[in-house]
Parts: sequence; C-alpha cells; structure tokens
Amino acid sequence: EAGVAQSPRYKIIEKRQSVAFWCNPISGHATLYWYQQILGQGPKLLIQFQNNGVVDDSQLPKDRFSAERLKGVDSTLKIQPAKLEDSAVYLCASSWSITGELFFGEGSRLTVL
Amino acid sequence: DAKTTQPNSMESNEEEPVHLPCNHSTISGTDYIHWYRQLPSQGPEYVIHGLTSNVNNRMASLAIAEDRKSSTLILHRATLRDAAVYYCILREGANNLFFGTGTRLTVIP
Repeated sequence: EAGVAQSPRYKIIEKRQSVAFWCNPISGHATLYWYQQILGQGPKLLIQFQNNGVVDDSQLPKDRFSAERLKGVDSTLKIQPAKLEDSAVYLCASSWSITGELFFGEGSRLTVL
Repeated sequence: DAKTTQPNSMESNEEEPVHLPCNHSTISGTDYIHWYRQLPSQGPEYVIHGLTSNVNNRMASLAIAEDRKSSTLILHRATLRDAAVYYCILREGANNLFFGTGTRLTVIP
C-alpha cells in the first residue's frame, strides 16, 4: 500500500516569497492533516480536513497560510508571504476516519532566508 | 487538552527491553493513551494505543496503571532501528493529536 506522498521534500526561499506544498494521502483516507514541526519541537496541527471540508483550522495563521482539499483527495498548503519563523518541516498525515490512527508522510522541509 | 509528562531522553542497550514512562495525572475517563514515534528525518508513525487494559501488538506493549494516571511503553528487545523520539499523547474521540516534545531514545550497540 502506498504511503502518504509529499512534495517537494526540500525548499529554500527568501522571506516574503511564497511557497506551496502538496500532499497525496493514502487512497480512501477521508481525513487529512497538515502539521508544522519546528526543529526540536513536536508537530503542531495547522489544519484538519474531513473529505473536502475543514474540521479544525484554529491554529492556522490565516493571514499568511492557506490550505485546500478541493476534491477531497490531495491537498495543497500555501504560505504567502513567508517569514523567517516559518522555517520548519511541514508534515501531511491522513487517516481512514476522524478517530483513526494517523499515517504521516516524510514531510517537506522549508528554509526561509 | 490533557497534558503528558515524559523524560527528555533515555538510553538502552541493544537487545535489551526498554520501558518508556509517561505521566498523565489529569487524564479524563474518555481519553485514550496513544504512542507515536518519529525516526530521524521521517514523519511520526503510530505505535500503539489503549484505554484501560494493557495492549500488545507486533511493535510494542502498553502497560496502563490501574488509576490511569501513568502508562509505560515497552519495547521488548530494542534494536538500533528503534532509536527515535517517542510521543505519549492523550486523545479523546475525534480530537486532534497534540504532540509534546517526547522522549528521545538512544540505543547503544
């Protein structure tokens, strides 16, 4: 069974530029999550989707971050404009159901200079 | 969100059992205890979870105290591939997983 796919694996940008990350969850998984993991910390939830609807985006900095899951399958997370403190690994996870175990991708590492 | 407390780091010799503790004194009756681990340069992976009874699977065992205020993840025979950060997380129903800083396990050859 294919796992959660994320791209790109690495991205380096200047502050105030924009960046987008893509996630393709495990086939059939209705719930999709985006987490941010800053070096030395545990992952922090940014947004949770159930199919193509948002369940929780309370921790998403909406002035600069946006995410969508238009067809209820893959998802895109965008940052515009990026700040130095956005340097982190962005992890996508999916699960069969809203209470199920999470399967994580390998993450996309962002460096903002 | 109910909090968990874990040691920052632990060491174990290869092929010996490892007991990773977790305190959760404010746990509620409907909180499940979840364990995830994160290997270097990878996303977290699910290890095990339980509510009241001890649980076993192919990866590990979870021992839950009778009062549920603490639990222990048991790796029966540590290998070098078990070196990772282990997260103990309380989760109620569909609530999101809130990761702390976890315990960094070092396995010594």
